[in-house]
Amino acid sequence: NAGVMQNPRHLVRRRGQEARLRCSPMKGHSHVYWYRQLPEEGLKFMVYLQKENIIDESGMPKERFSAEFPKEGPSILRIQQVVRGDSAAYFCASSGGMQETQYFGPGTRLLVL
Amino acid sequence: SQQGEEDPQALSIQEGENATMNCSYKTSINNLQWYRQNSGRGLVHLILIRSNEREKHSGRLRVTLDTSKKSSSLLITASRAADTASYFCATAQGSSASKIIFGSGTRLSIRP
Repeated sequence: NAGVMQNPRHLVRRRGQEARLRCSPMKGHSHVYWYRQLPEEGLKFMVYLQKENIIDESGMPKERFSAEFPKEGPSILRIQQVVRGDSAAYFCASSGGMQETQYFGPGTRLLVL
Repeated sequence: SQQGEEDPQALSIQEGENATMNCSYKTSINNLQWYRQNSGRGLVHLILIRSNEREKHSGRLRVTLDTSKKSSSLLITASRAADTASYFCATAQGSSASKIIFGSGTRLSIRP
């Protein structure tokens, strides 16, 4: 039973480009969460999605960031027109339901040059 | 500001000793979780304690929760070099308890 998978593991983008981060939840999980971690800091909640629905996006920046979890396929976190401040590790987690343990993927480390 | 704040921020102990990390939070919670993160890696879920529980054990881990003081502690007994990592407490908030708020972590180093 594969765990949460994220790809790519490392992503380098130049300022102004787009970054697409993918997350495949654990088998049987329909709840996906995205977090961002800056160096030497804890994780900051960004968004919580269920299939085809955004449940809580209170942690998402108002501009340039979007997330989706389509009926088929992985969840996508999309960052448009990246800036250097977007450089961070982005972690995805999944759970089988609300209030259940969230299991984390290995993260995508985004570097914006 | 962060919901969970760990104390101390960094801890260095001798292998075999016990390590205690504390976490304080501000608002009411549904549950509190502890995670471990090795350098440059993802998070590993260690233990979850619900708001109506006071103590929980898992192997060499012991977690306590005091909701009156809004604090939790994580004790690792008989520490090993492999325990070297950052440890985060996280609280679930909201009506759905879906939003997990992480503290800034305690960086634990085990000296051989």
